Amino acid sequence: GQQVMQIPQYQHVQEGEDFTTYCNSSTTLSNIQWYKQRPGGHPVFLIQLVKSGEVKKQKRLTFQFGEAKKNSSLHITATQTTDVGTYFCAGGATGRRALTFGSGTRLQVQP
Amino acid sequence: GAGVSQSPSNKVTEKGKDVELRCDPISGHTALYWYRQSLGQGLEFLIYFQGNSAPDKSGLPSDRFSAERTGGSVSTLTIQRTQQEDSAVYLCASSLVNRNTEAFFGQGTRLTVV
Repeated sequence: GQQVMQIPQYQHVQEGEDFTTYCNSSTTLSNIQWYKQRPGGHPVFLIQLVKSGEVKKQKRLTFQFGEAKKNSSLHITATQTTDVGTYFCAGGATGRRALTFGSGTRLQVQP
Repeated sequence: GAGVSQSPSNKVTEKGKDVELRCDPISGHTALYWYRQSLGQGLEFLIYFQGNSAPDKSGLPSDRFSAERTGGSVSTLTIQRTQQEDSAVYLCASSLVNRNTEAFFGQGTRLTVV
């Protein structure tokens, strides 16, 4: 079946360092969404990318959708302690009507 | 309502009992998802409702799991003869149209089977 994998599973950074998580799908995606889940909370939508090669920015966060629409990345510049949480990508895959979530990357930021 | 509401927030049940989990989506949202999240793990897709279409049940782990959505609004996830491995947080999300629109999640129901 369709799988969406994320790497790394976990990353621990010092505050001020950059962070990147990568999302890879076994099939072409119609769109990719990114969510953030704070510890003890529920996933909250961050952004959606639809076009091949699309890049979007939200303050310190940069999101990219690959040219083949099979991969995506989220880059955080100069992490802050408020960035702590698990970041999930979620894709719309051919043949599946529902959103398929990636395995998630847990980010820990050391002050 | 203001957001997706799930009840109960916590449920402790004995192995072998049936449980019902409820989800009230955002008014007007035609798409509704159920996911399961074990501690420290990702989101496991269970079932998807969208408008009047037949639900996508491909994620239900066994025939002990079922869900319905009445009147295109409230949804109930039922787990029969609960097992310890069913212990997890069950998350409901709704979306205005489908997978191409933002999903709003409820706070989840934490199910513990003892």
